[in-house]
Amino acid sequence: GAVVSQHPSWVICKSGTSVKIECRSLDFQATTMFWYRQFPKQSLMLMATSNEGSKATYEQGVEKDKFLINHASLTLSTLTVTSAHPEDSSFYICSARVLGSGYGYTFGSGTRLTVV
Amino acid sequence: GNSVTQMEGPVTLSEEAFLTINCTYTATGYPSLFWYVQYPGEGLQLLLKATKADDKGSNKGFEATYRKETTSFHLEKGSVQVSDSAVYFCALSVPNDYKLSFGAGTTVTVRA
Repeated sequence: GAVVSQHPSWVICKSGTSVKIECRSLDFQATTMFWYRQFPKQSLMLMATSNEGSKATYEQGVEKDKFLINHASLTLSTLTVTSAHPEDSSFYICSARVLGSGYGYTFGSGTRLTVV
Repeated sequence: GNSVTQMEGPVTLSEEAFLTINCTYTATGYPSLFWYVQYPGEGLQLLLKATKADDKGSNKGFEATYRKETTSFHLEKGSVQVSDSAVYFCALSVPNDYKLSFGAGTTVTVRA
């Protein structure tokens, strides 16, 4: 149980275009979703926290106009990388807090974004 | 602020060798501590956790003990297998703040 499905698993896009990444909770309601960015051989950096029905809270240094997060329902959160540039190439991972499981978090399988 | 310092890798071992990955933390209050594992091309999976001092988390032959006096949560496994090859992340969260703070990750490769 408590599975988060993340799509796409990889995407290549041209500079200047936008890319949307989706995370769906399959068998539970995700009131809180976290979005991370992971650079090669580095740790996960929290980008933002989204709560269903409200605006996302972005970490310091993350451009909210570039990384648009929408959490319109309890089972879907999306991250849109707008006007992507090569420096946005990275591995993006979503995570949901699973209520009623103590300190449980479940992670999506990640999206490898390459901007050319 | 909260932070996690993790032993840098990469670590390469032979099958059946003993594995230890050091993890120390800095946190306000009394954090919960976690070890996550990331297999190639996949997201993170919870390996084990401990929520208070002296707790021992264990799973799949891995163990880690929450040591408040040394602010550590070292991961150990007595006999590794090739299938244990992955990146291991130490992480913490503090009460009333549900964000996870991650260490840098340690890449472990086990050779047959």
